[in-house]
Amino acid sequence: NAGVTQTPKFQVLKTGQSMTLQCAQDMNHNSMYWYRQDPGMGLRLIYYSASEGTTDKGEVPDGYNVSRLKKQNFLLGLESAAPSQTSVYFCASSYSKLAVAYEQYFGPGTRLTVT
Amino acid sequence: DQQVKQNSPSLSVQEGRISILNCDYTNSMFDYFLWYKKYPAEGPTFLISISSIKDKNEDGRFTVFLNKSAKHLSLHIVPSQPGDSAVYFCAASTQGGSEKLVFGKGTKLTVNP
Repeated sequence: NAGVTQTPKFQVLKTGQSMTLQCAQDMNHNSMYWYRQDPGMGLRLIYYSASEGTTDKGEVPDGYNVSRLKKQNFLLGLESAAPSQTSVYFCASSYSKLAVAYEQYFGPGTRLTVT
Repeated sequence: DQQVKQNSPSLSVQEGRISILNCDYTNSMFDYFLWYKKYPAEGPTFLISISSIKDKNEDGRFTVFLNKSAKHLSLHIVPSQPGDSAVYFCAASTQGGSEKLVFGKGTKLTVNP
């Protein structure tokens, strides 16, 4: 099992450019998440998805959009990148049963720089 | 407003001794707590969790203690090993599981040989 994979590993964007960060999991997990981690900060939830086709906002959703068309994939989009979105982005997934989600498994991260 | 606080940015201990990492929270609705460990350039990995109906959970060298009245939890690592050197994040949830986790800022643990 590859677990949770993220592409790309590194990306540099110019202000105003758009891009999509990709996340895939092969553990058949129901729930998937996108976080960002900034220096000296913990992880902050951007969006999450409790199941295929559903998404919900987290703590810092502004400037992002997400898509969960397939159970195994969760995409994070930046429509118009801003320097404030320079961060390390982590995707995670977890097994859920009876509305309870168990521990999250994280991908290796995508380091994004917006100039 | 930080709901999960790890007030010690760093901690240094000798190999073989006990490491104690602390975490405080402000939201009394939190009912599930987790600890994650993170090495540089890797994603966090789950370490141990505890439900609010318990006050202790143990897994090998790792034990988490929960004091609900003080809104405080701690992670004990005994004995500490150099491979334990990493950043440790405390996280909490209000939904009985790990959805919508709120993370602390992390504590960097260094275990010296």
